[in-house]
Amino acid sequence: NAGVTQTPKFQVLKTGQSMTLQCAQDMNHNSMYWYRQDPGMGLRLIYYSASEGTTDKGEVPNGYNVSRLNKREFSLRLESAAPSQTSVYFCASRSGGVNSPLHFGNGTRLTVT
Amino acid sequence: AQKITQTQPGMFVQEKEAVTLDCTYDTSDPSYGLFWYKQPSSGEMIFLIYQGSYDQQNATEGRYSLNFQKARKSANLVISASQLGDSAMYFCAMRESGSARQLTFGSGTQLTVLP
Repeated sequence: NAGVTQTPKFQVLKTGQSMTLQCAQDMNHNSMYWYRQDPGMGLRLIYYSASEGTTDKGEVPNGYNVSRLNKREFSLRLESAAPSQTSVYFCASRSGGVNSPLHFGNGTRLTVT
Repeated sequence: AQKITQTQPGMFVQEKEAVTLDCTYDTSDPSYGLFWYKQPSSGEMIFLIYQGSYDQQNATEGRYSLNFQKARKSANLVISASQLGDSAMYFCAMRESGSARQLTFGSGTQLTVLP
């Protein structure tokens, strides 16, 4: 039972490079989320997808794009990486119940130099 | 204004003692949920406990309990009989009613259990 799988685990980019973070869940969850975690700031929502075919901005969407490819997969793209995007990125999913917790992937540690 | 406030950046507790991690929240929504997550040094996020705004009783899960004081807007996590493996970062989070019901997280408390 894989749960939420994120790739890659680590990535180093130069300023201006692009990359896509991949996320897939095998729990048949409708909603998926991308968060970033920075020291002292907890987790902040970048984008989310309430259901297949929909995506919406979260608290810190600038510099990112997302694609909900199908019910299982939700990718996060950095078109032109900046040092301010150095962070740990978490993908998460949940079922529809009001009390349903988020299930997280193991995170991607991204460094932009 | 911060929706979730965790005022204790770091806490220490002796092994086998109980510890309370503070969390206050701000919402005008009558329907909301409160969650606690644990993040060990390995980095994964582990769900611990949930409390709904309409729940009459405080939530409990094994050694974890939630001291929910609705009028004070606080949802403190109590860990009983601390173990060395409880050393981790702990996050409080809130979900308000809404189309996507995303979680808003506090800044976390780093708990260290001393032998």
